[in-house]
Amino acid sequence: GENVEQHPSTLSVQEGDSAVIKCTYSDSASNYFPWYKQELGKRPQLIIDIRSNVGEKKDQRIAVTLNKTAKHFSLHITETQPEDSAVYFCAAKGDGGTSYGKLTFGQGTILTVHP
Amino acid sequence: ETGVTQSPTHLIKTRGQQVTLRCSSQSGHNTVSWYQQALGQGPQFIFQYYREEENGRGNFPPRFSGLQFPNYSSELNVNALELDDSALYLCASSRGLLYEQYFGPGTRLTVT
Repeated sequence: GENVEQHPSTLSVQEGDSAVIKCTYSDSASNYFPWYKQELGKRPQLIIDIRSNVGEKKDQRIAVTLNKTAKHFSLHITETQPEDSAVYFCAAKGDGGTSYGKLTFGQGTILTVHP
Repeated sequence: ETGVTQSPTHLIKTRGQQVTLRCSSQSGHNTVSWYQQALGQGPQFIFQYYREEENGRGNFPPRFSGLQFPNYSSELNVNALELDDSALYLCASSRGLLYEQYFGPGTRLTVT
């Protein structure tokens, strides 16, 4: 089955700096890669996603890049703000076989943005 | 906030008991997925329902079961509760199998 590895497990940055979180996946059939932000005691919130037919997607201060050959994708947050502090999860989903429709999550990255 | 709701918010059960958790999907969504999130971990896929049929299951024993109703709301049932079942149970709904998933607020289950 699919396996998603996420790094780093914790990330501490100063306000205004950039933050990068990286994920690798194992199943070459995976073709959808969402990122979720989870604040303490709250639900995971979809912040951006990318499908395998594109290499990069941007939404204001956040962007995601995908390298299908290397089977890795990354989340980039620019001009970080204290409210960006949360746990971020990457995930992968396939469209065939046993991974059809199923999201496999990484272990999460605790991002702390210091004012 | 999404239109996905879950009940109850919190639940405390004793080992060996049974529990039913409920999820109402967002309007227009026909797919519900259930996840277990242990403290400090990413959500783990339990199973998924698409148009009232189970469509895929993760590595969870048969005492985890579920169903989806004609209005696409869903239930997760857990029999013979074990201490390790203590976790946040999340449901997520989507427009279909290949669409983005939106999570509910979760049910915090504590087994003592």
